Amino acid sequence: DSGVTQTPKHLITATGQRVTLRCSPRSGDLSVYWYQQSLDQGLQFLIQYYNGEERAKGNILERFSAQQFPDLHSELNLSSLELGDSALYFCASSVEGTGEETQYFGPGTRLLVL
Amino acid sequence: GENVEQHPSTLSVQEGDSAVIKCTYSDSASNYFPWYKQELGKRPQLIIDIRSNVGEKKDQRIAVTLNKTAKHFSLHITETQPEDSAVYFCAARGISSGSARQLTFGSGTQLTVLP
Repeated sequence: DSGVTQTPKHLITATGQRVTLRCSPRSGDLSVYWYQQSLDQGLQFLIQYYNGEERAKGNILERFSAQQFPDLHSELNLSSLELGDSALYFCASSVEGTGEETQYFGPGTRLLVL
Repeated sequence: GENVEQHPSTLSVQEGDSAVIKCTYSDSASNYFPWYKQELGKRPQLIIDIRSNVGEKKDQRIAVTLNKTAKHFSLHITETQPEDSAVYFCAARGISSGSARQLTFGSGTQLTVLP
C-alpha cells in the first residue's frame, strides 16, 4: 500500500457525461500528479499540482480539468466523455514535486465509457 | 517535447537468466531516469532510478546504466525469478508539452519469466 488513495475504484458511464475522480496523497506529500493509462498504452502525464497550485501540464484535453484543495486532496474532472476516454486513471504523489523524486501511485480508477 | 522509446515490448526469459530492457530519450537536458514495475491489475512502483551525473546504479539483482552521449539507458535484471514477471516502464524527466519538466514514460515491456 503506497498511502495514496483513489476513489472510486471503478466507474461506468455514458458518452457525453461528466465524472469526478478523487485522489488523496500520502501524508506529508504536497504534490499530486494525474496520469492516464489506456489499454496497452504507457502512462500519459496529464497534470501536476503542488500545494494547491497547478505546476505542470501535459497532454490534457480541454474537456478535462483538475484542482487541488487546501487539504491537498485532488480531483480530476472529465466532461463530455467519449468512448476513447475509457482508461485507467492514476494519481501519484511526491513530497516536493520536483519531478526528480519517487512518485507513489494510487490504485487507480478504471473508467469505462459506454 | 521529450520522447521516450522502449524496447522490446515483450520479453520472455527462462528463470535464472538475465533480462535487459532498453530505452532511448530525445531531450538531451533530461536528468532523471526512473524505472517502474507494474504487476497485473496493480499500481506502478518505483524499482530503481538514476540521475544524469551517474553512469550505473545497482540494487541487488537490478541495475540501470545510462549513456548520456547516446541518450539511452537500460534496465538489467539478473537471476530472474517468476515474481519478476510484470510490465516495466522506463521514464525520463524532460520537457513535456509546454515548458514544464515532467516524467515522460516509455510504452512498457511485458516481461515473462518462465519457470
